[in-house]
Amino acid sequence: GQNIDQPTEMTATEGAIVQINCTYQTSGFNGLFWYQQHAGEAPTFLSYNVLDGLEEKGRFSSFLSRSKGYSYLLLKELQMKDSASYLCAVRDDYKLSFGAGTTVTVRA
Amino acid sequence: DADVTQTPRNRITKTGKRIMLECSQTKGHDRMYWYRQDPGLGLRLIYYSFDVKDINKGEISDGYSVSRQAQAKFSLSLESAIPNQTALYFCATSESGLAGEARGSGELFFGEGSRLTVL
Repeated sequence: GQNIDQPTEMTATEGAIVQINCTYQTSGFNGLFWYQQHAGEAPTFLSYNVLDGLEEKGRFSSFLSRSKGYSYLLLKELQMKDSASYLCAVRDDYKLSFGAGTTVTVRA
Repeated sequence: DADVTQTPRNRITKTGKRIMLECSQTKGHDRMYWYRQDPGLGLRLIYYSFDVKDINKGEISDGYSVSRQAQAKFSLSLESAIPNQTALYFCATSESGLAGEARGSGELFFGEGSRLTVL
């Protein structure tokens, strides 16, 4: 099975940087995903890591260490529209399992 | 139009009623999934299907059943709804193994969600 942990809530100021950590223990590993979900809406894909290291995509970056079972999502130059839940998900051979999500609140 | 469409989007029903949530997709993906989302618990997998007639249980399949009679359609049924099945339900699709691996992800594409309330 999968055990995926991430903080419940984080608060940051507009223009700042926030790092959301995710740790996992899985029976199989074929990649780690980050999704963004605004309240009442469907999750949308942000990033994918399958090899160790940093993947950068605009203001968002994601890091993976497979040996440590650890990932983080880095949100830079925070904007009010970044207020949302961020879901860490791990893929085994067949399916994606999700963490409970981290709600990020951006304050002016 | 959305690539992954769920109906109904909202439904209020009573305990003991039979409910069906339907999902259709135009992405041409082989793999389809049903998740439910509850506050503080995240997305949990109910059932998944990798092809027509292929059905696999997820982590919380009790009280649910599914049908995959066409590549584009995957329906979720609650035979006798109970209040603790009140949740937001998402259908999702992904490319099959080789295609997904070639693109390097196999990411999920979600429908807009179906909010179900059981009184």
